[in-house]
Amino acid sequence: DTEVTQTPKHLVMGMTNKKSLKCEQHMGHRAMYWYKQKAKKPPELMFVYSYEKLSINESVPSRFSPECPNSSLLNLHLHALQPEDSALYLCASSHGQGTGELFFGEGSRLTVL
Amino acid sequence: KQEVTQIPAALSVPEGENLVLNCSFTDSAIYNLQWFRQDPGKGLTSLLLIQSSQREQTSGRLNASLDKSSGRSTLYIAASQPGDSATYLCAVNPLSNTGKLIFGQGTTLQVKP
Repeated sequence: DTEVTQTPKHLVMGMTNKKSLKCEQHMGHRAMYWYKQKAKKPPELMFVYSYEKLSINESVPSRFSPECPNSSLLNLHLHALQPEDSALYLCASSHGQGTGELFFGEGSRLTVL
Repeated sequence: KQEVTQIPAALSVPEGENLVLNCSFTDSAIYNLQWFRQDPGKGLTSLLLIQSSQREQTSGRLNASLDKSSGRSTLYIAASQPGDSATYLCAVNPLSNTGKLIFGQGTTLQVKP
């Protein structure tokens, strides 16, 4: 099973809302990633977790708050977002940080009104 | 600073043609290179991963080659089908191996029946 599952697939939220994106993998991978992708652009790295610890934060605004409750789960908590944060948010995992093939989920399409 | 370029940005071919997608990178110090496919509004699907010590990898109708010294990789698609229509992205994992992939802008392929 090479599946990374993301929920919800679509999310619409106002600028004052608090919501969360969820990601799950059962491949035994120890590295998990959040990427952001705008239309017709390649994905941009936001965060990397390695062995459930935050390893990389690409200077992402604090209105995005990642969380890794265990080795299979990765959350992205959203609060006070701006319309320009509307994008496709992709979760990915790999055997180790920077090691092996990177597997992506189908993404969560976020619209901020 | 590593830069990844994919040419052409878009390609349209008739069904059945063999085709080559190009990816070039400026710094030969890479850990590995990965090719992905992305359908509109969907996540990335991993196609092939080439380690820096390898020259090529094959999966079905796909063959990816790597020439580190010249900073080039190619993705060869044999006997193209309409179902191959998608955006193809190459991504370089630098030797620092932090897990931060450097993506090209992608090549959007249309295979006409």
